[in-house]
Amino acid sequence: GDSVTQMEGPVTLSEEAFLTINCTYTATGYPSLFWYVQYPGEGLQLLLKATKADDKGSNKGFEATYRKETTSFHLEKGSVQVSDSAVYFCALTPNTGNQFYFGTGTSLTVIP
Amino acid sequence: DAGVIQSPRHEVTEMGQEVTLRCKPISGHDYLFWYRQTMMRGLELLIYFNNNVPIDDSGMPEDRFSAKMPNASFSTLKIQPSEPRDSAVYFCASRFTAGNTIYFGEGSWLTVV
Repeated sequence: GDSVTQMEGPVTLSEEAFLTINCTYTATGYPSLFWYVQYPGEGLQLLLKATKADDKGSNKGFEATYRKETTSFHLEKGSVQVSDSAVYFCALTPNTGNQFYFGTGTSLTVIP
Repeated sequence: DAGVIQSPRHEVTEMGQEVTLRCKPISGHDYLFWYRQTMMRGLELLIYFNNNVPIDDSGMPEDRFSAKMPNASFSTLKIQPSEPRDSAVYFCASRFTAGNTIYFGEGSWLTVV
């Protein structure tokens, strides 16, 4: 079945460090891929998405590229800030069907 | 535009009591999802509706849990009787068929003592 596997955390980085959170997926066809972010005490918010192969989603300095050949959608940011501390979820929705499949989440803490 | 609205935001209740969580999806969205989030199990899909009809309730943990969607703008998740292991954050989310982004509410933080 469809699924998402993401890098386990927690991840702790110093401010201005480079961030990568790995995400790989299993799906038939061409799913849409997402990164959601959850700040403490809040719900999940869409961070970025990509709907077809080689698309790059970007928002707030974060980027992820839909790589069909490696079935990956890794999240990157060149210089993290303390305010980026949150839990990040990779997710997919199949091009047919209506469910969303979420990864287990990766907790990121950025220290000054 | 208003997002997904959930109530209550926080609830503390005693074991054995009935708990009702409420959700108003984004206007025009025809899919509604209920999720539960815990440290141990992460984010779990409990049930989802399409056009007010339950489509998949295989994630509902047991008969103590029930969900309804009487109309396009309102859904409830009920736990009766509640148990301490039901303590979790319950999220409601909605989406529109033609789009593929799912939008979450702020969650209902339930503690059963």
